[in-house]
Amino acid sequence: ETGVTQTPRHLVMGMTNKKSLKCEQHLGHNAMYWYKQSAKKPLELMFVYNFKEQTENNSVPSRFSPECPNSSHLFLHLHTLQPEDSALYLCASSQGSDPSNEQFFGPGTRLTVL
Amino acid sequence: AQSVTQLGSHVSVSEGALVLLRCNYSSSVPPYLFWYVQYPNQGLQLLLKYTSAATLVKGINGFEAEFKKSETSFHLTKPSAHMSDAAEYFCAVTRPHFGNEKLTFGTGTRLTIIP
Repeated sequence: ETGVTQTPRHLVMGMTNKKSLKCEQHLGHNAMYWYKQSAKKPLELMFVYNFKEQTENNSVPSRFSPECPNSSHLFLHLHTLQPEDSALYLCASSQGSDPSNEQFFGPGTRLTVL
Repeated sequence: AQSVTQLGSHVSVSEGALVLLRCNYSSSVPPYLFWYVQYPNQGLQLLLKYTSAATLVKGINGFEAEFKKSETSFHLTKPSAHMSDAAEYFCAVTRPHFGNEKLTFGTGTRLTIIP
């Protein structure tokens, strides 16, 4: 595997389910990000991790819970989501969390909340 | 705070014609500016970035952008469109050396190429 991978690519869940999104980067980077991409809206930064430490939580509801066990893996745990949480969730990584550094994105997980 | 505005959520050009995608920024300090491209079913990929060196920046796939401070613009151009250029393009801005600054994206412009 190369670059940034995300699983699953598609996820349909009910509002009472608990699921997790997984991201893995094979680039040796030390910063990882979760973004939410909704139609007609700018990309929304959700969380930033630098060397496994969370450095940004962009006022994300607690029903989204990130986990970064090491610099290569990032999870987004989901529970009691709302239909408005349906979106494409993108993971990215970079060498250092300076926003001027190029971010490498995974293909995303398309989430549908019923 | 900083922001970018992308004029035109959809742009269509004929194959071989000039591509022009517009981006205007707002920033309280000299910004760093980026263009990312998203092909169908893929994540975003960096096309080019401006970081206060040369104002004309060349990127991948024949794209370039010019930083114009007087117009607060960073428009993306390509002289001759190719079918493979069909994608969504995002302009983004950040303020360098400004603490915990983040990358702020525009709403995107979907480029369609007409055969």
